[in-house]
Amino acid sequence: SQTIHQWPATLVQPVGSPLSLECTVEGTSNPNLYWYRQAAGRGLQLLFYSVGIGQISSEVPQNLSASRPQDRQFILSSKKLLLSDSGFYLCAWSGEGYTEAFFGQGTRLTVV
Amino acid sequence: SQQGEEDPQALSIQEGENATMNCSYKTSINNLQWYRQNSGRGLVHLILIRSNEREKHSGRLRVTLDTSKKSSSLLITASRAADTASYFCATRWLANNNDMRFGAGTRLTVKP
Repeated sequence: SQTIHQWPATLVQPVGSPLSLECTVEGTSNPNLYWYRQAAGRGLQLLFYSVGIGQISSEVPQNLSASRPQDRQFILSSKKLLLSDSGFYLCAWSGEGYTEAFFGQGTRLTVV
Repeated sequence: SQQGEEDPQALSIQEGENATMNCSYKTSINNLQWYRQNSGRGLVHLILIRSNEREKHSGRLRVTLDTSKKSSSLLITASRAADTASYFCATRWLANNNDMRFGAGTRLTVKP
């Protein structure tokens, strides 16, 4: 069966520090991968999605970036965090086509 | 920008009552999906309804879709305290099946 792993679960980082969140999927190949951000009590904002290795579509121009170095690995990065980067970050995968998505458990990022 | 918009933003009912949540969207879709999120956790897929379907059932869940009004509703019958969660609709765009957008969600509280 397919599983998705996202870590760390919580993270407290100072302003200006770098960020690296990792997401990996098991049990499937060539998944579509997604990074979403959720502000407290709000909906999900699509940040990036990827349909293949090295293929990244960016939805929100900001100081975040994403990379897909391997088929089932999706990384969210920042060189210098801002206070406004605080939030709940969710990774998800879906199969090819118009299918449902499966989510990781999320990372709670607090920038101080 | 987010595709779907749910209403109400918050809903509080007694156990045993039915809960109805609505979702509106803006562009042509291939399908619409409903997800549930317990506080601080990832989202879990509940049900998917395709654009050529008008109604779908899954256990105590009933989803309707009106493509002429670009709206959908989720009905949870005989609610339980364990149904307390946030519920989100998500749309798969017809023009880009890799893109999946979520609304702001409805926070449902079921009082025992």
